[in-house]
Amino acid sequence: EAAVTQSPRNKVAVTGGKVTLSCNQTNNHNNMYWYRQDTGHGLRLIHYSYGAGSTEKGDIPDGYKASRPSQENFSLILELATPSQTSVYFCASGDVQGADTQYFGPGTRLLVL
Amino acid sequence: QQQVRQSPQSLTVWEGETAILNCSYEDSTFDYFPWYRLFPGESPALLIAIRPVSNKKEDGRFTIFFNKREKKLSLHITDSQPGDSATYFCAASGAGNTRKLIFGLGTTLQVQP
Repeated sequence: EAAVTQSPRNKVAVTGGKVTLSCNQTNNHNNMYWYRQDTGHGLRLIHYSYGAGSTEKGDIPDGYKASRPSQENFSLILELATPSQTSVYFCASGDVQGADTQYFGPGTRLLVL
Repeated sequence: QQQVRQSPQSLTVWEGETAILNCSYEDSTFDYFPWYRLFPGESPALLIAIRPVSNKKEDGRFTIFFNKREKKLSLHITDSQPGDSATYFCAASGAGNTRKLIFGLGTTLQVQP
């Protein structure tokens, strides 16, 4: 059974609209991460969290917000979506005790028109 | 400035050959180097990882060679199979609670039958 799930799996949004991507993990990991993956850019860290109630800026946070209301859930919010945010978004969870391995969700394909 | 660099960007080998994927890094405090593999339409998954206490890590057909002095490492895939065709990401992390991973841009490997 998948330990990191994401919803929706696919999303089409309009420019200027609000988009919320959700992630749930049953690994009981403290740390959670949001990445975007674009050809030629690898995996880039947007926001991360080291526990419920905490969020930290990653390497490319502009235009994104994050929310970690519980150990299990971590959301990525695009308040005003732009076409440049069209991408594949991956959520991951990990723990220091887990030898640094991060476990990725299945990804969300977002298209902003 | 890219902290983790990978080369080549793309690589094509014949079935049965050894594929060599290169990675270098800037920060000498990095202490964990995982390689993740991404098949099209799937999510990144940990393939193999190494810590600087070792200069070699082997797992079946996959071997990491690590040179701490030169801050370089390489992933060797022996007896390459068409099923190995994927994008391979080298990553690095250092001290800290959040265990952020810094990813390279990836090497796309194509194994021709």
